[in-house]
Amino acid sequence: GQQVMQIPQYQHVQEGEDFTTYCNSSTTLSNIQWYKQRPGGHPVFLIQLVKSGEVKKQKRLTFQFGEAKKNSSLHITATQTTDVGTYFCALTGGGNKLTFGTGTQLKVEL
Amino acid sequence: GAGVSQSPSNKVTEKGKDVELRCDPISGHTALYWYRQSLGQGLEFLIYFQGNSAPDKSGLPSDRFSAERTGGSVSTLTIQRTQQEDSAVYLCASSLLRDGPYEQYFGPGTRLTVT
Repeated sequence: GQQVMQIPQYQHVQEGEDFTTYCNSSTTLSNIQWYKQRPGGHPVFLIQLVKSGEVKKQKRLTFQFGEAKKNSSLHITATQTTDVGTYFCALTGGGNKLTFGTGTQLKVEL
Repeated sequence: GAGVSQSPSNKVTEKGKDVELRCDPISGHTALYWYRQSLGQGLEFLIYFQGNSAPDKSGLPSDRFSAERTGGSVSTLTIQRTQQEDSAVYLCASSLLRDGPYEQYFGPGTRLTVT
C-alpha cells in the first residue's frame, strides 16, 4: 500500500521560532490530511488538502500540497507552548481509512 | 454534541486473557475505524466498519483480533489470548461517510497493558 515518510522525527525550538514538518510519498496522492496529537491525547483533525499546489492557512499554521501531489508540509510561524505535540500527516485509502506518517514531535522551550 | 467515547480508558490484563474494548461513535456517523498506537509501530489501521459490515479487516494483526458493530453504532474490539506485544493504545474514530475523504473524529483511546 501507499506509504509516506515524515521528517523530522523530533524538533525542539525556542518559543517564537518557526517550525516545519514534511511528508513525502513516492506515489501521487489523491489527498492528504494533517492531525495534531497533544501529549497524552488523541489525534485531532487540522486540515485536508486535495488540489495540486494547494495552500491553506489557519492562523499561524500554513499547509501546502505539492504541485505533483507527492509531498506536503506544515509550517508554524512563531511557535508557542500551545503548539507542543506530535503532528501527523495521513493518507486516505479505500473506505477512507488513514495511513499515518511517522509523525513529528514538536517541543517548544521558553 | 458528544464526541467519540471509549471504554475502559485503561485496561491491565494478564497474558493469555481475553479483553473487550468498546467504542461509541458520534451519533449519525456511519463509518467507524479502529487504530492502534504503539511506540514501535506508530499509528496503524486495524479495521473499519461501514454500517454494521467490515469491508476492510486488513490491519488486524492476527486471528486473535476480531471486531463487531451492532445497530450501526457501538463497536467492540476483542483480543483473545492476549500477548505482551498487544500492549498499546487502541483508538477508535468515526466519520460521516465511508467515501470522502472526510475528517475522522478520534476517541480518547483505551490503554491496554498486558503483563
